[in-house]
Amino acid sequence: EVQLVESGGGLVQPGGSLRLSCAASGFTSSDHYMDWVRQAPGKGLEWVGRSRNKGHSYSTEYAASVKGRFTISRDESKNSLYLDMNSLKTEDTAVYYCVRGLRGFDCWGQGTLVTVSS
Amino acid sequence: DVQMTQSPSSLSASVGDRVTITCRASQDINNELTWFQQRPGKVPKSLIYDASSLQSGVPSKFSGSGSGTDFTLTISSLQPEDSATYYCLQYGDHPFTFGAGTTVDIK
Repeated sequence: EVQLVESGGGLVQPGGSLRLSCAASGFTSSDHYMDWVRQAPGKGLEWVGRSRNKGHSYSTEYAASVKGRFTISRDESKNSLYLDMNSLKTEDTAVYYCVRGLRGFDCWGQGTLVTVSS
Repeated sequence: DVQMTQSPSSLSASVGDRVTITCRASQDINNELTWFQQRPGKVPKSLIYDASSLQSGVPSKFSGSGSGTDFTLTISSLQPEDSATYYCLQYGDHPFTFGAGTTVDIK
């Protein structure tokens, strides 16, 4: 069964940092483009960034709202994807989803909540 | 950036009705558009990809059409379990962008 499980969310102060993890199972994540999408409480969906597959050197793209603050990386040995978030702002408060970018965005994790507040 | 204009923002329809939701892109995105359903408190679920291809396991009452800048999601016969918010997403150009969503209620 194809599955994505996020972890690492929590409460962090403005200006702080956090690392989210996404563990993939049932498929080899390095073969696929992978994305992060977030949803602020009561709001719509916002694309955060993409990591292309191994064949494309895991190159990345980011939304303007997070570029320079967030970094997507991979660990092939753990079949995992990461989102390093720095200089966090209150407006980064959201549920963060890890998504497989195949056939559109076909598989989503359950999400992990990040709350940025003092 | 590609702006996605989704309409209507909400609608209320009866069981058995045919429902149509549209997304308009501010520039040509070919057919690189996907539709999601998000029930309250749940994870988004992919319905349609590449504008008109049905995601595996999704009922055939959902269909997508369009290319270029104008796209449509149709639910052929609305059922109570279709009560949800529907989003489009363009992946034809970075940064990817979502529509604002359409909330579908059952009368």
